[in-house]
Amino acid sequence: GDSVTQMEGPVTLSEEAFLTINCTYTATGYPSLFWYVQYPGEGLQLLLKATKADDKGSNKGFEATYRKETTSFHLEKGSVQVSDSAVYFCALVSGSARQLTFGSGTQLTVLP
Amino acid sequence: DTGVSQNPRHKITKRGQNVTFRCDPISEHNRLYWYRQTLGQGPEFLTYFQNEAQLEKSRLLSDRFSAERPKGSFSTLEIQRTEQGDSAMYLCASSLAGGGQAGEQYFGPGTRLTVT
Repeated sequence: GDSVTQMEGPVTLSEEAFLTINCTYTATGYPSLFWYVQYPGEGLQLLLKATKADDKGSNKGFEATYRKETTSFHLEKGSVQVSDSAVYFCALVSGSARQLTFGSGTQLTVLP
Repeated sequence: DTGVSQNPRHKITKRGQNVTFRCDPISEHNRLYWYRQTLGQGPEFLTYFQNEAQLEKSRLLSDRFSAERPKGSFSTLEIQRTEQGDSAMYLCASSLAGGGQAGEQYFGPGTRLTVT
């Protein structure tokens, strides 16, 4: 079945540091890939998406590129802020499925 | 506020009792999903509706669980004879139908269930 593997957390960075959160997937066919974010006390929100190979999703300074050859969708940001502290989830939708398959999440804490 | 709402936000119940949760999706969204999230894990799919039709159920949805969306608007999720293993956050999400929208789901704040 489909699965998503994220790097283990928690991740703690200083403000303005570079962020990478690794995500790899296993899926049938050609999935669409997503990053969702959960800020403290809030519901999950879509951060960015990519629907085909080599697509780059971007939003709020975050980027992720759909790499079919390595089955990866790593999340990056060049300079994190304290307000980026949240839990980040990598997810996919595969084939005719309508539901999301999520990774286990990565807790990010950014210190001032 | 036109986001997805869920009620109650918290529910504490004793083992063996029945509980019901409600989800009100974004009004123009015709797809509605239920997920379950346990501590330190990502959400796991339970079931989804397109309009009033329940189109898919996960193997996680045992026969103690039932979900309805009677008029294609709000949805309820009922758990009968609750067990301690049912303790989790229950998330509702909604989306538009259409191939390009798959995965673009809007989540509610969740209902946290604690079974004692």
